[in-house]
Amino acid sequence: NAGVTQTPKFQVLKTGQSMTLQCAQDMNHEYMSWYRQDPGMGLRLIHYSVGAGITDQGEVPNGYNVSRSTTEDFPLRLLSAAPSQTSVYFCASSYGRQGEAFFGQGTRLTVV
Amino acid sequence: GDSVTQMEGPVTLSEEACLTINCTYTATGYPSLFWYVQYPGEGLQLLLKATKADDKGSNKGFEATYRKETTSFHLEKGSVQVSDSAVYFCALSDGGGSEKLVFGKGTKLTVNP
Repeated sequence: NAGVTQTPKFQVLKTGQSMTLQCAQDMNHEYMSWYRQDPGMGLRLIHYSVGAGITDQGEVPNGYNVSRSTTEDFPLRLLSAAPSQTSVYFCASSYGRQGEAFFGQGTRLTVV
Repeated sequence: GDSVTQMEGPVTLSEEACLTINCTYTATGYPSLFWYVQYPGEGLQLLLKATKADDKGSNKGFEATYRKETTSFHLEKGSVQVSDSAVYFCALSDGGGSEKLVFGKGTKLTVNP
């Protein structure tokens, strides 16, 4: 049972480059979310989705795009990477509003 | 807006010591409250939760009680083990579901043998 799978685990980008962080879950969960974790800041919500075709912004959405074309996948796109986007990114999914959130193992992104 | 404030640490304890990590929250509605744990190199795992006032969540010897009057959800364990070394996050979900969690900054716990 894979749960929530994030790829890649590590990535180094140059300023201005674009990339997509992948997130897939095999639990048929409706809800999926992206968070970033920065030292001393906890986790902050970037974008979330309550179902295929539905996405919304979280606390820190600037510089990121998302789409949800299938229940399983929720990719996060960095359009033009900046050093301020250096962080650890976590994807999470849950079944229903009161369901437990399951987290992936994270993607450590460095922008130089 | 909603917020969570927790003891920042780091906290260092000897094995079998008592643990308390303080967590207080600000929310406009009636939030659900959570404690998540992050072991080194891993994602977050739900440790326990409480969905209404006076509820007590418990798991693996950890407990936390939802106190509406003090807006608190302190994490406690009577006897910690080396394997409890991790970062602990307090979080809330206010009216929304698990897709919109608000986290505290995390508390790093190290337990020495």
